[in-house]
Amino acid sequence: GIQVEQSPPDLILQEGANSTLRCNFSDSVNNLQWFHQNPWGQLINLFYIPSGTKQNGRLSATTVATERYSLLYISSSQTTDSGVYFCAVGYRAGGGADGLTFGKGTHLIIQP
Amino acid sequence: DAGVIQSPRHEVTEMGQEVTLRCKPISGHDYLFWYRQTMMRGLELLIYFNNNVPIDDSGMPEDRFSAKMPNASFSTLKIQPSEPRDSAVYFCASSLGDRSNEQFFGPGTRLTVL
Repeated sequence: GIQVEQSPPDLILQEGANSTLRCNFSDSVNNLQWFHQNPWGQLINLFYIPSGTKQNGRLSATTVATERYSLLYISSSQTTDSGVYFCAVGYRAGGGADGLTFGKGTHLIIQP
Repeated sequence: DAGVIQSPRHEVTEMGQEVTLRCKPISGHDYLFWYRQTMMRGLELLIYFNNNVPIDDSGMPEDRFSAKMPNASFSTLKIQPSEPRDSAVYFCASSLGDRSNEQFFGPGTRLTVL
């Protein structure tokens, strides 16, 4: 199956700092999603981005499918950005959906 | 529009008891997924359905686990008998499928087996 590696595993930043989280995957994908798991355990959708670049407020993401990686950028960090960020990928030949394979996550702590 | 709904949110049971987790997907979504999250193994896919039909159950850990989807708006994940190692958070997710692969997750059920 597809392997997903996320880096760094842990990141501690001061409020206001910028950060880049990386996701490498081992094979072709037709689904790539970034999630934020908040302290209450909810998985919040950030981006659905199997290719290209998207932006949503202080967050943006880029996936370079041909090189099998994706980046999540967080600018001007706030304490509410703390939590675990997951990258998850899926692939199904012929289209349609498939289950997601998750990375181990990046645990982000934003200090005031 | 309501998101994915799961019940119960928390379940505490004793080893050997039957446990049933429930999920209502987003209306109109053709795919439904069950995942499990543990400290040791992270988030892993258990099984998924397309139009109420199980497509891939290779992630179901043992015969003690079973899942059904009797109609487009309801699915159950059953563990019988439950064991302490089944303690985890169980998530249900749904997606449109062919029109969009983006999956949306429910709040999860935290299961504790004593």
